[in-house]
Formats: sequence, structure tokens, C-alpha cells
Amino acid sequence: EDKVVQSPLSLVVHEGDTVTLNCSYEVTNFRSLLWYKQEKKAPTFLFMLTSSGIEKKSGRLSSILDKKELFSILNITATQTGDSAVYLCAVNGKDAQGGSEKLVFGKGTKLTVNP
Amino acid sequence: GAGVSQSPRYKVAKRGQDVALRCDPISGHVSLFWYQQALGQGPEFLTYFQNEAQLDKSGLPSDRFFAERPEGSVSTLKIQRTQQEDSAVYLCASSPRYGSNQPQHFGDGTRLSIL
Repeated sequence: EDKVVQSPLSLVVHEGDTVTLNCSYEVTNFRSLLWYKQEKKAPTFLFMLTSSGIEKKSGRLSSILDKKELFSILNITATQTGDSAVYLCAVNGKDAQGGSEKLVFGKGTKLTVNP
Repeated sequence: GAGVSQSPRYKVAKRGQDVALRCDPISGHVSLFWYQQALGQGPEFLTYFQNEAQLDKSGLPSDRFFAERPEGSVSTLKIQRTQQEDSAVYLCASSPRYGSNQPQHFGDGTRLSIL
């Protein structure tokens, strides 16, 4: 059964700090790993990672995947109060029939950035 | 439309009542997904459509849950004889086409409360 474990589950930092969020996974026939940010509403897409060792970057956020060790990290530098949210990690694995693109999510990391 | 649209945003029902939740995906998106998110947890997969075909319903928790997408666009998730454990946020997501390895984009969800 596919599985995603995120750590820490909760994190409180001060504005300006740098944070690293962790995601480890077990999945059959790995296709991709995705990071989402969830505030009060819809999870919003951040990154999709398919290849090991290639960093994806968007402003102060970056992420990288290690397919050998089965984990990914999400880094946020110079945190701002607007970064406060739950960060969700999800994996997509192809089943034996090659179908279904369902995502398996971790429980999320709740990040609180204090001024 | 610009994004995935779900209605209603909030639904309160008495135990035993039937409810219907609606999802309007991004225009042209072939794949549509339903997820259930309990408080403090990550979303959990319920079911998946490719156009009007329901290809995976392995996540539906019981035969009280039923989903349809008759014309390959709007989808409805129906829950019959609701129970208190059905209280959760129900998220809908869509993606462009099967095999494209494109990220899923989520709606704001329907928060269902069963009294």
C-alpha cells in the first residue's frame, strides 16, 4: 500500500527564518511527487517532481527529490507570515493496470510564521 | 471556468439524510477526482473519472457513497443515509488528461457536517 509520511507535523518559526519540510514515501511504480500549500481553502499546487536531484524553485520556495532514498524536501527561505499554512506532500503511483492517477497524501506539516 | 468550482461550500444535514455535492471542473479537463479530508488529516482518495467513465472507486468507504459524471463534465458525489463519521471536507480536483502527468488542481471543497 502506498504511503507518505511528513515531518514535522507542526512547526513554529519567526519571520525571516529558513525552514525545511520533509516527506518520505513508499509507492509502487512511482510517477511523481507533488507539494501543495493549503490555507483555509483549496490545496494550491507548488511543485511536481519526477526526477532525482533536480531542484525546482519558485521565489523563496524550492524542492528536491531523492528517488533512491525515497524522500523529498521543501525549503522556504526568509519566511513571511503569509507562508503560514499546511504543506501537503503527495505521491502518484501507477497501478498494475497502468491506470488511475490518484494521489496519496501525507498528513501535512502545519507551519506557523510569527512576526 | 478559471478554476474548479464546488457547491455548496457548506452543508449541514441530519443523520440519515441524503446529500449531493457538486463539482464543476476546469473546462476541458478530462480527469476528475474526489477526495475526503478529515480534520487535521491529508486528503484521502475516493474516486476517479476519465471523461464519463468511473475508472477507480476503490476509495469509496461504503455503498452509501455514489459518484457520477454523466456527460464527462460536472460531477456529483452523493451520500445516502448520512452518518456522523461522514463529516469532513470533500475536495474535487481535475487535471487535463490521462497520462499527461499534469498536476491536479483542487476546488475549495464542501464542508459537510452531519448532526
